Formats: sequence, C-alpha cells, structure tokens
Amino acid sequence: GAVVSQHPSWVICKSGTSVKIECRSLDFQATTMFWYRQFPKQSLMLMATSNEGSKATYEQGVEKDKFLINHASLTLSTLTVTSAHPEDSSFYICSAPGGPSYNEQFFGPGTRLTVL
Amino acid sequence: QQQVKQSPQSLIVQKGGISIINCAYENTAFDYFPWYQQFPGKGPALLIAIRPDVSEKKEGRFTISFNKSAKQFSLHIMDSQPGDSATYFCAAHLNQAGTALIFGKGTTLSVSS
Repeated sequence: GAVVSQHPSWVICKSGTSVKIECRSLDFQATTMFWYRQFPKQSLMLMATSNEGSKATYEQGVEKDKFLINHASLTLSTLTVTSAHPEDSSFYICSAPGGPSYNEQFFGPGTRLTVL
Repeated sequence: QQQVKQSPQSLIVQKGGISIINCAYENTAFDYFPWYQQFPGKGPALLIAIRPDVSEKKEGRFTISFNKSAKQFSLHIMDSQPGDSATYFCAAHLNQAGTALIFGKGTTLSVSS
C-alpha cells in the first residue's frame, strides 16, 4: 500500500517556540492531506484539510494562525505549531488518500510533540 | 448525523476467544467503512474495510459484518491473540474527493494470555 512518512517522530520544545512537522507521501501524489491531533486515550480529531496549491481548510475551533499549514508540492504538507504552549502537547498525525478510490486513506506514523 | 458511534470503549478477551466491536452511523451517504488498528505511539493502520453493497468481508482472522438497514457494522476478531491488543477505530467516509474519515471514539482491546 501507499506509504506516508512524518518527520520528526518526536519533538520537545520550549513554550513560545515554533515547531514544524512534515508529512510526505513517498510513493504517490497527494493533492489533499489531512492533519489530525490525538490526545491520550482519545480518538483522532481532524484539525484541517491541506490542499496542494491553495489554502488549508480548518475545522471549527482550530486556530489557523496557530497551526499553519503549507502544502507546497504534491508530496509534502507541513504543519507549523506557532508559539507552542504546553496545552499543544499531543500526537499529530497526517493522512493522505491513496489507492484506486477516494476512500482509502493512509496514515503517517505520527509526531509526538511535547511543549515544556 | 456525521457521527460514528463505537462500542464498547474497552474490551478484555481471553486468548483464542472472539473479539467483537460494534459501530453505528446515521448518514446514509457514507459509502466506505474501514477499521483501523493503532498501537501506542504509532499511526493508525488500515485493517479491513467494506462497502455497503456487501454484508460481510473476511480477511484472515478479521471479519466485518455490515447491516445496511440497521446502519450498523462490526468487527470480529477470531482466535484473538495477545498481539491483537491495540486500539481499534471504526470509521466512515463519504464518496467525495477531499473529505476526511469520520472516526468512532475507539475501543481498547486487551487479549489476555
């Protein structure tokens, strides 16, 4: 199946700094990618839909100025958490549709962000 | 109407037993129902998926049963093994490009040896 990678796999940063997370589709092109956040023992919560060459669409309640998304190419989307605070500590996961239909989604391995 | 309700929240099964996780949905426009398996600290991995035109799909020890009229679907894990201990998420998807999966809240499965 299609492979999605994320980098870094984990990051620790100080409060107030910005952190960039990369999501890459390794063997297929993805005009759309999705960013999720997952807190411990909870489900995946969709944050935003990243579209290549256009602005991302954010879910209600997600601050677009805090979570900057850039989808500059057909294989790369980035999520930048700006001025991170401890409450932003979470597991961030991206996914991309792949395969023969719109339906199949492939997930990255996730990025663990810890803000001190 | 966009929700997918999943139960139980947690499940303990003895090795060799059958694990059953249930999901229900409201939106009849959903046309793809996958199950994902997630281990701690890892991203979700697609386990098995079904479309509404079939009532059952089996892949190895994993079976999805789908009841279109009741708007319910379930995952059955036969001969459950300790290695199956993970969190399982059901999901639903619209037949529309650019739309995300709608996830259930997840079920934590523990298989005791």
